Amino acid sequence: DAGVIQSPRHEVTEMGQEVTLRCKPISGHNSLFWYRQTMMRGLELLIYFNNNVPIDDSGMPEDRFSAKMPNASFSTLKIQPSEPRDSAVYFCASSPRDRPYEQYFGPGTRLTVT
Amino acid sequence: RKEVEQDPGPFNVPEGATVAFNCTYSNSASQSFFWYRQDCRKEPKLLMSVYSSGNEDGRFTAQLNRASQYISLLIRDSKLSDSATYLCVVNSRDSNYQLIWGAGTKLIIKP
Repeated sequence: DAGVIQSPRHEVTEMGQEVTLRCKPISGHNSLFWYRQTMMRGLELLIYFNNNVPIDDSGMPEDRFSAKMPNASFSTLKIQPSEPRDSAVYFCASSPRDRPYEQYFGPGTRLTVT
Repeated sequence: RKEVEQDPGPFNVPEGATVAFNCTYSNSASQSFFWYRQDCRKEPKLLMSVYSSGNEDGRFTAQLNRASQYISLLIRDSKLSDSATYLCVVNSRDSNYQLIWGAGTKLIIKP
C-alpha cells in the first residue's frame, strides 16, 4: 500500500518567492496534518484537517502561510512570500478514523529559502 | 514548562545493552501515549502505543505511571539499527486528534 506522498522532496527558492508543498494522504484516512520540523523548535503542528475541513490552524505562523484540502486525496501548504526563517522540513501526516492518534508521516519536503 | 519533556541525550550505548528513556507530561487529563521513532533525515514512525498496564513488543517495553505523569521506554539487547531519535507523544487536552510531541531523545548504539 502506498504511504503518504509528498512533493517536492526538496525545494530551494529565493526569499519572496511563492512555495507550494503538496500532500496525498493514505487512502481512507480522514485526518491530515501539516508539521514543520527544525533543530531549534522540533516538530510543530501547523494545521490539521478532519474530513477535508480545517479544524485548528493556530499553529500557522503567519498570514504568509495557507493550507487547503480540496478533496480527501490532496492537500497543499503554500507560503507566500517565503522568508529564510521558513527553511525547515515540512511533513504531512494522515491518520485513520478509528485510530486518530496513529499518524503516518510522508517523507517530508526539505525547504531552503535563500 | 514544556507539555512533554524528554532528556535530549545523546545516549551512547554498546550493542547488546539495555537502555531506558523516560518522558514526563504536564497534562494529567491526557489519555493516549505513544513512542515514535525518527531516523536521521527521515520521517517519524509510530513505534508503539503505551497502555496503562504496560505493554511489550519484542525487545521494546513501554510503561505508564499516571501518578507521576511519566512514560518510559525500555530497549533490551540493543541493536545497531536501534540508533535513532525516540519521540514521546501525548494527546492534546484541546483536541481529539492533535498530538503534543516531545523534542526527542537521541540514541546511538555503538558496536
